[in-house]
Amino acid sequence: GAVVSQHPSRVICKSGTSVKIECRSLDFQATTMFWYRQFPKKSLMLMATSNEGSKATYEQGVEKDKFLINHASLTLSTLTVTSAHPEDSSFYICSASPAPNTDTQYFGPGTRLTVL
Amino acid sequence: SQKIEQNSEALNIQEGKTATLTCNYTNYSPAYLQWYRQDPGRGPVFLLLIRENEKEKRKERLKVTFDTTLKQSLFHITASQPADSATYLCAFPNTGGFKTIFGAGTRLFVKA
Repeated sequence: GAVVSQHPSRVICKSGTSVKIECRSLDFQATTMFWYRQFPKKSLMLMATSNEGSKATYEQGVEKDKFLINHASLTLSTLTVTSAHPEDSSFYICSASPAPNTDTQYFGPGTRLTVL
Repeated sequence: SQKIEQNSEALNIQEGKTATLTCNYTNYSPAYLQWYRQDPGRGPVFLLLIRENEKEKRKERLKVTFDTTLKQSLFHITASQPADSATYLCAFPNTGGFKTIFGAGTRLFVKA
């Protein structure tokens, strides 16, 4: 149980295009979903926290107009990287929690984004 | 600010030995600590959670200790196997418990 999927697993796009990444909790309802970004050999950096039906809470320094997050249902959250640039290339990971706190969160397999 | 430190150098050990990874934290007293395993190109997988009132927690070949005085957690893998090779992340919740702060992880290599 407690499986979280992400799609796509890898995406390569041209600079200036937008990319949507989906995060799904497959066998539980996720009250809260988190989006992280990870650079090679670095820690996971929280980008934003999203609760179903409400606006996402972004971390300091994360552009909300650049990284659009939608949490339309208890099993789906999407991250759209708008007008992507090479510096947006990174490993994006989502996690889902059945409760508002982070005592228990289940991670997706991640999405490797490469912007040419 | 709350900070987690893990040894950035990779740990190389021989199969069958016990691997010990260290997690130190400063400027905070978390209610619990978590340990995750992360394989290359994959998301983290939860392993163990230890609360501040617990000194030690075990799960199969894994053992975690939590010393609130030293502000340190140790993660042990006994009888290590090449399949244990991965990056191990230490994490704790921020004040309020609504966000998780992660260490950078320690890469473990177990040689056959």
